[in-house]
Amino acid sequence: RKEVEQDPGPFNVPEGATVAFNCTYSNSASQSFFWYRQDCRKEPKLLMSVYSSGNEDGRFTAQLNRASQYISLLIRDSKLSDSATYLCAVIGGFKTIFGAGTRLFVKA
Amino acid sequence: NAGVTQTPKFQVLKTGQSMTLQCAQDMNHNSMYWYRQDPGMGLRLIYYSASEGTTDKGEVPNGYNVSRLNKREFSLRLESAAPSQTSVYFCASSTTGYNQPQHFGDGTRLSIL
Repeated sequence: RKEVEQDPGPFNVPEGATVAFNCTYSNSASQSFFWYRQDCRKEPKLLMSVYSSGNEDGRFTAQLNRASQYISLLIRDSKLSDSATYLCAVIGGFKTIFGAGTRLFVKA
Repeated sequence: NAGVTQTPKFQVLKTGQSMTLQCAQDMNHNSMYWYRQDPGMGLRLIYYSASEGTTDKGEVPNGYNVSRLNKREFSLRLESAAPSQTSVYFCASSTTGYNQPQHFGDGTRLSIL
């Protein structure tokens, strides 16, 4: 089993839709969590941190479920510009593990 | 705002050739990392440097060497390139502290024929 797993997708959604991705992790001692966005042929860019109580940044909401060992990213009112691959990153034991990413296509 | 700068952006090598990928950051970060990204496999850590003067192996170090030249610069060397090393290579940096996010350079696309 991979240490960090994501559904590769792709998720194809219309503009204005709400879409959610999950990222599961195997190390119960993991302590820090992040979501990155990666555009085609570009570098990953930090989208947001994930806090224990959940956090929101505009149309984006991140949540952590320690009991079930997953984090989630919710995107509301999807825009064409949200089309990208979303990577989760899990830090535990002085090690950062990235998920392979979930591809999102937002269609007009 | 340069952030993390990688050179070159693209490179084609023949099997057996050597080359060095350069990475520099201007964010005064202590920690630096080298990853490779292959389709469907996500980012895999090759080597990292927690601070100036130290380097450690990551998940896939075979065939690579690194040098932390100073606080700003962290280079990755392929001594004898193999087709299996065809990939996109990303350098990243982060502040001190194991729970800090990493900031990436824009990558080097390396093809080995």
